[in-house]
Amino acid sequence: EDQVTQSPEALRLQEGESSSLNCSYTVSGLRGLFWYRQDPGKGPEFLFTLYSAGEEKEKERLKATLTKKESFLHITAPKPEDSATYLCAVQAGIGNQFYFGTGTSLTVIP
Amino acid sequence: KAGVTQTPRYLIKTRGQQVTLSCSPISGHRSVSWYQQTPGQGLQFLFEYFSETQRNKGNFPGRFSGRQFSNSRSEMNVSTLELGDSALYLCASSLAPFYEQYFGPGTRLTVT
Repeated sequence: EDQVTQSPEALRLQEGESSSLNCSYTVSGLRGLFWYRQDPGKGPEFLFTLYSAGEEKEKERLKATLTKKESFLHITAPKPEDSATYLCAVQAGIGNQFYFGTGTSLTVIP
Repeated sequence: KAGVTQTPRYLIKTRGQQVTLSCSPISGHRSVSWYQQTPGQGLQFLFEYFSETQRNKGNFPGRFSGRQFSNSRSEMNVSTLELGDSALYLCASSLAPFYEQYFGPGTRLTVT
């Protein structure tokens, strides 16, 4: 069964304390891996798409990387405004359907 | 460019009733997907439409249905509502099926 697992479920960081979020997947026929940010009461906001192992994408303090079995979202020197839930999704399978993980809730403390 | 809009934003219904939710995609986007989000299950895929045709359907009962119009706007319908249908229903649009999706703010449905 296609599956996407994110860890940790929750993460508390001091402002400036860098860390990484993990997204591991077991799917057949991966077409792409997507990272989203979701703030409370809002829809997910698109961050990155990764298509092949070894690919990296950066945006401000965020950097996403992809291997054959997992992806990492590295957060460098986070600020309180980076607090949100980060969702990972893979597009895979015969119908190229999207499968979402349950997210990592990040809290950055000033 | 305007984002994805969903109406209504909040809805309270009684068990057994039916409900219709609406989604207007970003201008130029022809693919619309629907998701159900609950605290326990996360985002669960409902269905995807492209050019008025359903491309994919998730593992939900037949009470959940949808359609897409020629202007790419989409509606989803849930009949015979159950308490477990209480959730945030999110619509996402993309240029085409294989592109990144952009989400609307969601419709919060509460079934009592």
